[in-house]
Amino acid sequence: QVQLQESGPGLVKPSETLSLTCGVSGGSITNYYWSWIRQSPGKGLEWIGYIYDAGSANYNPSLKSRVTISVDTSKHQFSLKLTSATAADTAVYFCAGGGHYGDYAYWGQGTLVTVSS
Amino acid sequence: QLVLTQSPSASASLGASVKLTCTLTSWHSSHAITWHQQQPEKGPRYLMRVNNDGSHTKGDGIPDRFSGSSSGAERYLTISSLQSEDEADYYCQTWDTGNVFFGGGTKLTVL
Repeated sequence: QVQLQESGPGLVKPSETLSLTCGVSGGSITNYYWSWIRQSPGKGLEWIGYIYDAGSANYNPSLKSRVTISVDTSKHQFSLKLTSATAADTAVYFCAGGGHYGDYAYWGQGTLVTVSS
Repeated sequence: QLVLTQSPSASASLGASVKLTCTLTSWHSSHAITWHQQQPEKGPRYLMRVNNDGSHTKGDGIPDRFSGSSSGAERYLTISSLQSEDEADYYCQTWDTGNVFFGGGTKLTVL
């Protein structure tokens, strides 16, 4: 059974880059779509973007100018970078994955990132 | 623009059944959707995919009490024999032309 685990700083200063990593265990990291989703406090789920096989990526148009998702197959992990962070980026960030870009069969438990000075 | 609409809240009694609805914008009425459950203070959990013909495919370990169906632009999640642990937020989700969309979620209260 594939398991996902997010890791990264819980506190980011405004204007800095938010960086998170998702470790993949229990299955292959290739031939899957890997995604990031976030949830602002008390709000619903917001899709950030996905990547497939260390190649093609696609991002939410509202975040596209600030987001990069990448995969490191040798480390069995994928990453999120969100530049120019503001308080509006404070959220629980989830990594997820599946066999299709809209398939979230696997979810991480989430990690809270607060953007504050 | 594709939009998924969910009622903000629903409630039902312990042991009863409840049917949650997710409505697609009419010109996307043929889209499949997936349902996810988010229990308090936990990450989401994949429940099932529901196709426009009403067929559904559940995730590993999802109890038989959970089922999906469809009618027109509406996709349903039915939970029977409600248990206390079913109290959660339920999100529908779909995809279109490379983008992913979530509904606003329904908070289910088990009375």
